Amino acid sequence: AQKITQTQPGMFVQEKEAVTLDCTYDTSDQSYGLFWYKQPSSGEMIFLIYQGSYDEQNATEGRYSLNFQKARKSANLVISASQLGDSAMYFCAMREPNMIKAAGNKLTFGGGTRVLVKP
Amino acid sequence: ETGVTQTPRHLVMGMTNKKSLKCEQHLGHNAMYWYKQSAKKPLELMFVYNFKEQTENNSVPSRFSPECPNSSHLFLHLHTLQPEDSALYLCASSQGKETGISGANVLTFGAGSRLTVL
Repeated sequence: AQKITQTQPGMFVQEKEAVTLDCTYDTSDQSYGLFWYKQPSSGEMIFLIYQGSYDEQNATEGRYSLNFQKARKSANLVISASQLGDSAMYFCAMREPNMIKAAGNKLTFGGGTRVLVKP
Repeated sequence: ETGVTQTPRHLVMGMTNKKSLKCEQHLGHNAMYWYKQSAKKPLELMFVYNFKEQTENNSVPSRFSPECPNSSHLFLHLHTLQPEDSALYLCASSQGKETGISGANVLTFGAGSRLTVL
């Protein structure tokens, strides 16, 4: 069974500063995928960034980067130069390895971290 | 329309009502999902459909009945729900051709249907 832990229920960050959101995971699988999603108050889950367990380099997407430490089983999200529009819930998720075409793409989510960007 | 569209966005129903949630995706994906998001709980996967076939039922009570008539549409039929079923129900889709862990194969979510059971 997989488990995703986000220990920070909420945090404030000053506009234009960087913020790190923690995510640790627990799995016995060797191959897996890690995702970060953003959920603004509108409700829609927005994909931000992906890291595969065999990817040697940390993933980056614009202002988002993922600090992947495989030995520690952590996949922290770093948001640089925070903007007011970054205020939202952020979820870390893990994809189970799927060797069967028919099974689809199952994600297990953490409890989320609420980020409030202050002007 | 583009992306994943869910209707209605808000629904209030009594415990004896029958209602349905609808999800439609315009992304050419073949896999569709229902997730439940309750207050103070992580998102819970409910159902997965891949190429119109149900491939996952995560021990969901029978008062929730999914239907996937084609790869673009997914329904969640609701019957005799309980107040604890009040939640945000999120639909998602993905390519559905994945094997192994190659590639991100991102789930694209809709904005959700906020359900309140009285």
